[in-house]
Amino acid sequence: AQKVTQAQTEISVVEKEDVTLDCVYETRDTTYYLFWYKQPPSGELVFLIRRNSFDEQNEISGRYSWNFQKSTSSFNFTITASQVVDSAVYFCALSEGRNEKLTFGTGTRLTIIP
Amino acid sequence: EPEVTQTPSHQVTQMGQEVILRCVPISNHLYFYWYRQILGQKVEFLVSFYNNEISEKSEIFDDQFSVERPDGSNFTLKIRSTKLEDSAMYFCASRGLDTEAFFGQGTRLTVV
Repeated sequence: AQKVTQAQTEISVVEKEDVTLDCVYETRDTTYYLFWYKQPPSGELVFLIRRNSFDEQNEISGRYSWNFQKSTSSFNFTITASQVVDSAVYFCALSEGRNEKLTFGTGTRLTIIP
Repeated sequence: EPEVTQTPSHQVTQMGQEVILRCVPISNHLYFYWYRQILGQKVEFLVSFYNNEISEKSEIFDDQFSVERPDGSNFTLKIRSTKLEDSAMYFCASRGLDTEAFFGQGTRLTVV
């Protein structure tokens, strides 16, 4: 069975600090996809990234970067120079196969203090 | 930019009443999903739908729930006899052949 663990329930940092959100996953499949979604206070789910299990290259998009390590089954998310608008709940998710359901972690509530 | 649209944004219903939550997925997508998020908790999978039939459902998706794609564009979730514990945010999502899941903005269901 697939499982996603986000051990950090809440994180608060001062604006402009860097912050890393941890995600550890479990799956028996060799082909799987990992995702990060952002849920701002307005409640919608905003897609941030999808990574397949065969691509371990780290990715950077502006202030966001992701570190995928199969050896530790982790897919961590770093925000550099955090801003108040980054305050949200962030969910890591896993799907087995190309179009299967998403299994979400419990989320990390990130608060950026001005 | 194409988007998934859900209506209504908020629905209040009395316990025991039937509700229908509506979704318009992105037009060329093939896979459709409903998820639920009880306030303050994680997002949980309810059901997936492909080729006009349910492809997978979770334990939450019992006989009180049903899904339909009545006219080729809408995708609905029906709860036959709502319970207090059905109060949650319900998200519809759709995917293309090789894309991420696009989520709607959600319908907040409040059962009183």
